[in-house]
Amino acid sequence: SAVISQKPSRDICQRGTSLTIQCQVDSQVTMMFWYRQQPGQSLTLIATANQGSEATYESGFVIDKFPISRPNLTFSTLTVSNMSPEDSSIYLCSVGGGTGKDGYTFGSGTRLTVV
Amino acid sequence: GNSVTQMEGPVTLSEEAFLTINCTYTATGYPSLFWYVQYPGEGLQLLLKATKADDKGSNKGFEATYRKETTSFHLEKGSVQVSDSAVYFCALSEGGGGNKLTFGTGTQLKVEL
Repeated sequence: SAVISQKPSRDICQRGTSLTIQCQVDSQVTMMFWYRQQPGQSLTLIATANQGSEATYESGFVIDKFPISRPNLTFSTLTVSNMSPEDSSIYLCSVGGGTGKDGYTFGSGTRLTVV
Repeated sequence: GNSVTQMEGPVTLSEEAFLTINCTYTATGYPSLFWYVQYPGEGLQLLLKATKADDKGSNKGFEATYRKETTSFHLEKGSVQVSDSAVYFCALSEGGGGNKLTFGTGTQLKVEL
């Protein structure tokens, strides 16, 4: 299965600023997924990132707040823009098995605290 | 749409006790089912999976059987250890090329000596 390097692992940011999270995969993948895990909650999909096209956002998430880049088949970034304390969460990237039946690999997560 | 319902936690057990964490799902097609585990301070790890009805996934002493008739995928372990303390997430995917995962709310397990 793929190995994902995600960074930063954690950060404390001032409200109103932006943070960019990076995920590097050790193999080429068509789709990458970005999730948010709010404190004590489950994971919620933010968007699906395809190489060469705009990301597809889930209901409740917009590109202006969470712009995503996918410049090639092994790399993606998620930016959390104009942060507020409500954005304090763990953000995770993920890649899926070829058919979705093989399980999904997750990055180690970015623990973001907005003060 | 798809959904996953898990029993609420936290679940507190003594070491060597039997564990069951219930999971039921709603899906429009024939999903693949997964259990993920999140140890304190770590990311998610795939624990086990099942891709079709009556399949049994197993790993590290944990088992779960895909029951289509009851739309369930309950996680079991015969004898838990303190090191099993973690949050367990049930999830499904409709499959196909790169379809997203739908997660349950997670169940925190605490195992005490």
